[in-house]
Amino acid sequence: EVQLVESGGGLVQPGRSLRLSCTAAGLSFADYAINWARQAPGKGLEGVGVIGTNPLGATTEYAASVKGRFTISRDDSKSVAYLQLNSLKTEDTAVYFCSLLFQLMPRKPPVWGRGTLVAVSS
Amino acid sequence: NFMLTQPHSVSESPGKTVTISCTRSSGSIDSNYVQWYQQRPGSSPTTLIYEDNERPSGVPDRFSGSIDSSSNSASLTISGLRTEDEADYYCQSYDSNIQVFGGGTKLTVL
Repeated sequence: EVQLVESGGGLVQPGRSLRLSCTAAGLSFADYAINWARQAPGKGLEGVGVIGTNPLGATTEYAASVKGRFTISRDDSKSVAYLQLNSLKTEDTAVYFCSLLFQLMPRKPPVWGRGTLVAVSS
Repeated sequence: NFMLTQPHSVSESPGKTVTISCTRSSGSIDSNYVQWYQQRPGSSPTTLIYEDNERPSGVPDRFSGSIDSSSNSASLTISGLRTEDEADYYCQSYDSNIQVFGGGTKLTVL
C-alpha cells in the first residue's frame, strides 16, 4: 500500500524558518518527481514548487511567491523530500501538501499526502 | 504564465449529469496534461483524472475527462450524480513543471 505522510508543520513567528518532510512508503521513490502545493484556510490550491528525479539532475522550480525563500530537496535513500521554508510571512499560513508524479512509462496517477499545517503568526 | 478558470459553483440533482469546465488563459490546453482532483472538507485532494482523460483504478467510470482545443478548455463530466459527489473539484496543469490549479468548483448535489 502506498503511503505519503507530511510532517514538520506548526506555529512559527514571522521571519522564522521551518522544515517540512514528505515521507513515502510502498513505492519506488526515486522514480517520482515531487510537487509541493499549499492551501490557505478557506482558499484554493496553489503550486509551490517541484523537484525532479536524480537521474535528471533533481532540478527544482519554484512559484514566484516563494522563490528565494523556499527550497526543495530530496533524499532517495530515505524516501523523503523536504521543503525548507525561510523568512516566513503571515501569508504563508496554509496546509502544505506533497504529491508524487511517476516519471517513467506507463504513467501512474499522482499520489497525494494528507498535508501538514503551517501557521505563521506573532 | 497562464491561469486556469473554473466556475465557482455548480449544482445538479441526484442521477443527473454535470460538466465542470477549466479554461486556460494562454497557451494551448493540450501543451500540458490536465489532472482533476476531488477534495472533501478537511481532506486532501484525491486524483480523479490524470493525463487529460485517464482514470485511476478505483475511480468509478461515472467520472470522465476531456480536452477541447477549440475552446482551449478541459472538462470533467460526472454522470449519475450521487450525494457523496458533493465536494470541491480542481483542475490542474503544469507551467515549467510547477502545478497550476484552477480556482476550484464547489459541486452541490440537491
